[in-house]
Amino acid sequence: DIQMTQSPSTLSASVGDRVTITCRASETIVSWLAWYQQKPGKAPKLLISKASSLESGVPSRFSGSGSGTEFTLTISSLQPDDFASYYCQQYSSYLKTFGQGTKVEIK
Amino acid sequence: QVQLQQWGAGLLKPSETLSLTCAVYGGSFSGYYWGWVRQSPAKGLEWMGEISHSGSTDYNPSLESRVTISVHTSKNQFSLKLTSVTAADTAVYFCAGRMLGTPFHYWGRGTPVSVSS
Repeated sequence: DIQMTQSPSTLSASVGDRVTITCRASETIVSWLAWYQQKPGKAPKLLISKASSLESGVPSRFSGSGSGTEFTLTISSLQPDDFASYYCQQYSSYLKTFGQGTKVEIK
Repeated sequence: QVQLQQWGAGLLKPSETLSLTCAVYGGSFSGYYWGWVRQSPAKGLEWMGEISHSGSTDYNPSLESRVTISVHTSKNQFSLKLTSVTAADTAVYFCAGRMLGTPFHYWGRGTPVSVSS
C-alpha cells in the first residue's frame, strides 16, 4: 500500500492567515494527488486534483503544489468557511489511500 | 450535475451482511467508476473498492474476502455488500463516483452503520 502522511494533524489559525498543509507519500505518485475538504456530517468535497488543478467553483485562495512524494495545500487567506478538515488522497495505485487528515480550527 | 443518493440498513448485529445501494441521477452512468469509501474515527477515510460501468472491480485487499460491489446498469445503481461484519466495521459509508484517471468528484451523503450485539 502507498502510505499517505499528513501534517499537522491539527492547525489553529485566524481569519486572514496563510495556511499550509503537507502530505507525503511513501513512494512516488507523480502528480496523482487530490485534496478534499470535509465539514462535520458532510461528504468530502474535491478541491484539487492532479496535485495542482483547482476544481471548478473552488475559490482561488486554495492552491496545491508538489510532485513525486511531497505535496502541499495552501490557503492564501483563511476565510470563516474554510474551518474544516482536509484530506489528501493518492490515486496513482488501484488501491487509493487517504492521509489521516488535518483539522483547521479557529485560533 | 451528477447526484448520488444512497440507502441501506444502519444497524447490524455481528456476523450479518451489510448491504447498501447508491443511485446515480443527472448524468451518464457509463464511462464512470463507482465506488465506496468508509470513515471511522479509528481508520479515517478508507477506500473499499470500485466498479466500472462494465462491471470490472478493484477491492481493498484488507476487505477483499468480504466485499462485493455490483452494478445495475438498467437502474443506474450500484451496490455494496460486506459480509460477516464486526464492531470494527462501524463507520459512515459513502458512495462515490469518478471518471478514468481522476479522483472521486461525486459523493453520496453517507450512511452511518453501527454493528452491535
